Amino acid sequence: LAKTTQPISMDSYEGQEVNITCSHNNIATNDYITWYQQFPSQGPRFIIQGYKTKVTNEVASLFIPADRKSSTLSLPRVSLSDTAVYYCLVGDDPGNTPLVFGKGTRLSVIA
Amino acid sequence: SAVISQKPSRDICQRGTSLTIQCQVDSQVTMMFWYRQQPGQSLTLIATANQGSEATYESGFVIDKFPISRPNLTFSTLTVSNMSPEDSSIYLCSVEDQEGSNTGELFFGEGSRLTVL
Repeated sequence: LAKTTQPISMDSYEGQEVNITCSHNNIATNDYITWYQQFPSQGPRFIIQGYKTKVTNEVASLFIPADRKSSTLSLPRVSLSDTAVYYCLVGDDPGNTPLVFGKGTRLSVIA
Repeated sequence: SAVISQKPSRDICQRGTSLTIQCQVDSQVTMMFWYRQQPGQSLTLIATANQGSEATYESGFVIDKFPISRPNLTFSTLTVSNMSPEDSSIYLCSVEDQEGSNTGELFFGEGSRLTVL
């Protein structure tokens, strides 16, 4: 199973762009990169997924270099409500290989 | 998307007792996953539950301690048996998105917070 490494925590002021980088050196050819967000007392929630290059949705952008050994989640203009734990996962079909959660990055947004 | 309901949302249990957590999904799903999240920690997969077959347990988790039922495609239960304070955790049910465009996207319930005294 591909293992992921993320910073344990990050702090940001409101309105700033936040970039969280995840390392996954052993990513397999069929693996996708998926990011989840978890608020206290809630289950994780899907944010974004990508395979290569760049993906953007209404919430975030995901940058993946050509070697796919890392990825960067970019949150534009964060607000206090973005304070959460962010998890980077790599894998394909969880029915084939269950997805493994790493330690995640605890983002604290301050006013 | 899938809407997942878990019961109970929280409970306080006595050492040595067992508790069954229910997970109901609003659509039919092939696989359901049970995770544990200890206080301040990440999620750890306990087992994968398939309808009509025995659950597949991850290393460190055994059926005698965490028996799982999967009677149909929308429902599963996880029992935490002979509980000790070390079992105090949030237990989360999860399913894979069957219809979306994302590969392996998981939906989670709100979790069941168990405190063992």
